[in-house]
Amino acid sequence: DQQVKQNSPSLSVQEGRISILNCDYTNSMFDYFLWYKKYPAEGPTFLISISSIKDKNEDGRFTVFLNKSAKHLSLHIVPSQPGDSAVYFCAARRSGAGSYQLTFGKGTKLSVIP
Amino acid sequence: ETGVTQSPTHLIKTRGQQVTLRCSSQSGHNTVSWYQQALGQGPQFIFQYYREEENGRGNFPPRFSGLQFPNYSSELNVNALELDDSALYLCASSEGALNTEAFFGQGTRLTVV
Repeated sequence: DQQVKQNSPSLSVQEGRISILNCDYTNSMFDYFLWYKKYPAEGPTFLISISSIKDKNEDGRFTVFLNKSAKHLSLHIVPSQPGDSAVYFCAARRSGAGSYQLTFGKGTKLSVIP
Repeated sequence: ETGVTQSPTHLIKTRGQQVTLRCSSQSGHNTVSWYQQALGQGPQFIFQYYREEENGRGNFPPRFSGLQFPNYSSELNVNALELDDSALYLCASSEGALNTEAFFGQGTRLTVV
């Protein structure tokens, strides 16, 4: 039973345009969400996070939006750059018991075309 | 400030053998979590160590065990290796157990033949 879903295995975007990566979750106990980027042969790198008490968090070119009622979050990258080409993972942490673990989606491979 | 380092980067083991993977946490971090990432999947939580104690465990059998040392480095041990244990094993360190910002190592690629 996948509690965090990234339904698009891959996404291609032109350089300079906006990349939108989506993530859905099913567990209403999740209270904190993180996005990681992963290059081949490297570990995931933390990008940006958002608490469930917010609906938006921005850091430079990266913005994460959270829609709690829809149990949906998205990562926007503007403008997209070739160096952004990587696999992006959405992860969620639950409140209370079990907050020690992150639950990850399967990832979306982003390709930014020059 | 050093990052999270894992060793070895790759290894090949035979089914039934035992393996130990190592992780040095980032300076100032007292929590280490281990994840298994199978091909085409997201990382799956194995367990977490906080101040040398196991703080939580995912859905993995007891043949997956671990340790955390006083310097907060950690080991993951897997006994009686199975072919399905072939995966990338990731270690993540954080300051505190709540994972508000966990930093990952580059991983150890384990192949069981």
